[in-house]
Amino acid sequence: DGGITQSPKYLFRKEGQNVTLSCEQNLNHDAMYWYRQDPGQGLRLIYYSQIVNDFQKGDIAEGYSVSREKKESFPLTVTSAQKNPTAFYLCASSVGQGASGANVLTFGAGSRLTVL
Amino acid sequence: SQQGEEDPQALSIQEGENATMNCSYKTSINNLQWYRQNSGRGLVHLILIRSNEREKHSGRLRVTLDTSKKSSSLLITASRAADTASYFCATDKHDYKLSFGAGTTVTVRA
Repeated sequence: DGGITQSPKYLFRKEGQNVTLSCEQNLNHDAMYWYRQDPGQGLRLIYYSQIVNDFQKGDIAEGYSVSREKKESFPLTVTSAQKNPTAFYLCASSVGQGASGANVLTFGAGSRLTVL
Repeated sequence: SQQGEEDPQALSIQEGENATMNCSYKTSINNLQWYRQNSGRGLVHLILIRSNEREKHSGRLRVTLDTSKKSSSLLITASRAADTASYFCATDKHDYKLSFGAGTTVTVRA
């Protein structure tokens, strides 16, 4: 089955530690995204990548880093510079704008990070 | 930046009733999408309506779009317990950056 796999599902870390969240897709999608979700708030875009070896900052990129070395993979590192990293992190992918101009996202199941 | 805002924040209905939620946004869009999220899970795309469309149906879902008022509504007819979830609108300005609202939490009581 095609889809997006995020791991780990739950992650606990101490303050000051960097952590990396994995996101893998086998949908052959060109574009990939990382969103952060906090209780009672909508999704906020952290980073996105339209093609391999290229990525752009979203609305809340500070304290995060990404890489896009392979089409299938878009890992997110939450660095110690991120002031409030405890959140639910969602990875998504899409074919891109497509001929129709619509950008429909397919999401992974999410990773919940708790910083102790 | 979050462009879409859903209303109400929460909704509780009896099974079989209809559920209506609204989304308002600020700037021009290419299309508007609705997603569903079950508790602790990822979002699932439900329906997309383009800026030149006024109404769209998909099964028990009906979406309207009024670009002059910058608003959209999602109607779920004959609700079921399985419809219990949070529903998000997302605006697409054709720039890869979908903007999501804070969502409407729908509870369907048996």
